[in-house]
Amino acid sequence: TQLLEQSPQFLSIQEGENLTVYCNSSSVFSSLQWYRQEPGEGPVLLVTVVTGGEVKKLKRLTFQFGDARKDSSLHITAAQPGDTGLYLCAGGNNDMRFGAGTRLTVKP
Amino acid sequence: GAVVSQHPSRVICKSGTSVKIECRSLDFQATTMFWYRQFPKQSLMLMATSNEGSKATYEQGVEKDKFLINHASLTLSTLTVTSAHPEDSSFYICSARSGREGGETQYFGPGTRLLVL
Repeated sequence: TQLLEQSPQFLSIQEGENLTVYCNSSSVFSSLQWYRQEPGEGPVLLVTVVTGGEVKKLKRLTFQFGDARKDSSLHITAAQPGDTGLYLCAGGNNDMRFGAGTRLTVKP
Repeated sequence: GAVVSQHPSRVICKSGTSVKIECRSLDFQATTMFWYRQFPKQSLMLMATSNEGSKATYEQGVEKDKFLINHASLTLSTLTVTSAHPEDSSFYICSARSGREGGETQYFGPGTRLLVL
């Protein structure tokens, strides 16, 4: 049973389009992390959100933590082929559990 | 950011043999380390949590006698897959955290791909 539900699971878009990935849970988290993983490599941390309602920006990526700290979203503006990868949200209060991931493909 | 290494990066072994995977935190002391397993096209599934100097806590469904975890120092944890079988073939990833409580960032290793023939 996934503690964190991610949607969509797969997303294929054209270069230049915008997209949003969602991460939802019925549990409250002290923090939520977003990672990006390339094939054959470990996950690389993109951001950690801690405060309910928090918004963090990382270039074209915008991360938001829900007010109740149960959900989060990742918005990518003007996606590029280099954004292709597996995006994972993860959360936990003492350990870290991952959502199923969103596999993003950005076509040139 | 903090660096976590894993060794080996790739291993092929025969069915019935044991394989040891090392996870090291290179520039910080990892009070807590985690081991994950990832099957193709799936997400990471937590196998066990280990705190330095104490026994690992295993997730439901993970056999502790098959997946031996040792966290003997603040910079090293090892996962030994005993009597490996083809169904144990997977991508094993460790992560390390400097604190015992939540809220601290976990840093991930690059993963070890295990293939059991």
